[in-house]
Amino acid sequence: KAGVTQTPRYLIKTRGQQVTLSCSPISGHRSVSWYQQTPGQGLQFLFEYFSETQRNKGNFPGRFSGRQFSNSRSEMNVSTLELGDSALYLCASSLSGTGNTGELFFGEGSRLTVL
Amino acid sequence: EDQVTQSPEALRLQEGESSSLNCSYTVSGLRGLFWYRQDPGKGPEFLFTLYSAGEEKEKERLKATLTKKESFLHITAPKPEDSATYLCAVLLSGGSYIPTFGRGTSLIVHP
Repeated sequence: KAGVTQTPRYLIKTRGQQVTLSCSPISGHRSVSWYQQTPGQGLQFLFEYFSETQRNKGNFPGRFSGRQFSNSRSEMNVSTLELGDSALYLCASSLSGTGNTGELFFGEGSRLTVL
Repeated sequence: EDQVTQSPEALRLQEGESSSLNCSYTVSGLRGLFWYRQDPGKGPEFLFTLYSAGEEKEKERLKATLTKKESFLHITAPKPEDSATYLCAVLLSGGSYIPTFGRGTSLIVHP
């Protein structure tokens, strides 16, 4: 079956701009989580959506937002980009959330560079 | 202070040279500990979940073990294709079902 699809794979933006990233989860998966990965901080949790509702939120400023559609596809948006937002943004899907199994299915990520 | 610490940060091995990666955690009330593998330019790929001290899981050349305060990922007779970054994550009981990830160990296996 098809895996998690993230678009775009690479993008370059300048400071002050905004960006929207898209994630299509595995068919049937209702939970979508977003993570930011940088060499210095590792994988940092942004937010989780389940059935179009934000269920959990990490410790990121309000410039980072997201949403989930009725077909479980999700988007995240970063407004007023800063240099420090340069990172690999990963989307992960699961049937109903991490739960006890810990099994998240990750996409290949969107590599954002802010100049 | 990091809740999950992985060591070493980087490890170079010769093909066939067995070794272990460590993941230690400072939290109490562990619901589960997870291991992932991440290849360059790719997202992490799930390997194992461990739930309680004494538990072990195996997959090919990898074996994960769990004690009360740490987990080990043992790599037996590694091959170059085992080169990757290995991430561990912990899930706490009583909280949100969001795992906290360590920063990973970058493993390079030379032929």
